[in-house]
Amino acid sequence: EAGVVQSPRYKIIEKKQPVAFWCNPISGHNTLYWYLQNLGQGPELLIRYENEEAVDDSQLPKDRFSAERLKGVDSTLKIQPAELGDSAVYLCASSLDGSYNEQFFGPGTRLTVL
Amino acid sequence: SQELEQSPQSLIVQEGKNLTINCTSSKTLYGLYWYKQKYGEGLIFLMMLQKGGEEKSHEKITAKLDEKKQQSSLHITASQPSHAGIYLCGAVNYGGSQGNLIFGKGTKLSVKP
Repeated sequence: EAGVVQSPRYKIIEKKQPVAFWCNPISGHNTLYWYLQNLGQGPELLIRYENEEAVDDSQLPKDRFSAERLKGVDSTLKIQPAELGDSAVYLCASSLDGSYNEQFFGPGTRLTVL
Repeated sequence: SQELEQSPQSLIVQEGKNLTINCTSSKTLYGLYWYKQKYGEGLIFLMMLQKGGEEKSHEKITAKLDEKKQQSSLHITASQPSHAGIYLCGAVNYGGSQGNLIFGKGTKLSVKP
């Protein structure tokens, strides 16, 4: 069974440029998470989807970040415009549902903003 | 809001030695997850604990959740170089939406051959 797939794995952009990350969760997983991980820190939740509905986006900086999960499967996280402080690893995870289930993580996208 | 503190922040052990990593919560834990992360990779699920006093083992790794459910420990017996990485504890965040996890900052483990 394939795990959570993320692309690209690495991205280098200049500040003020837009960037997008893609995530394909494990088949059958209804819940999808986007986390931000800064160097030396644990992951921090940005947004959580139950199927196609964003049920918790309280930590998503909505002035520059947006996300979508069309058809309740794949998801895209976008930053526009990117700032220097956005340099981090963006992790996608999925689980069967939003209760006490194991979250499976993708390898992450490492973003560097110059 | 709930916070998780891990100790130690980093650890260097000789191969074959035992070690323990602790995770302390500022609030009662209703679900505690242990993950391992290698540089440049995602998190790998190790174990989940829910009940006070619960203990689980996988190969040479044992995790416990104390009776008061505010602390968990991860114990590795006879460490090997393959155990090296960053160990993260995550807890169900009851300060926020159910199902969301908050994480500690991680414990970096190095195992010297």
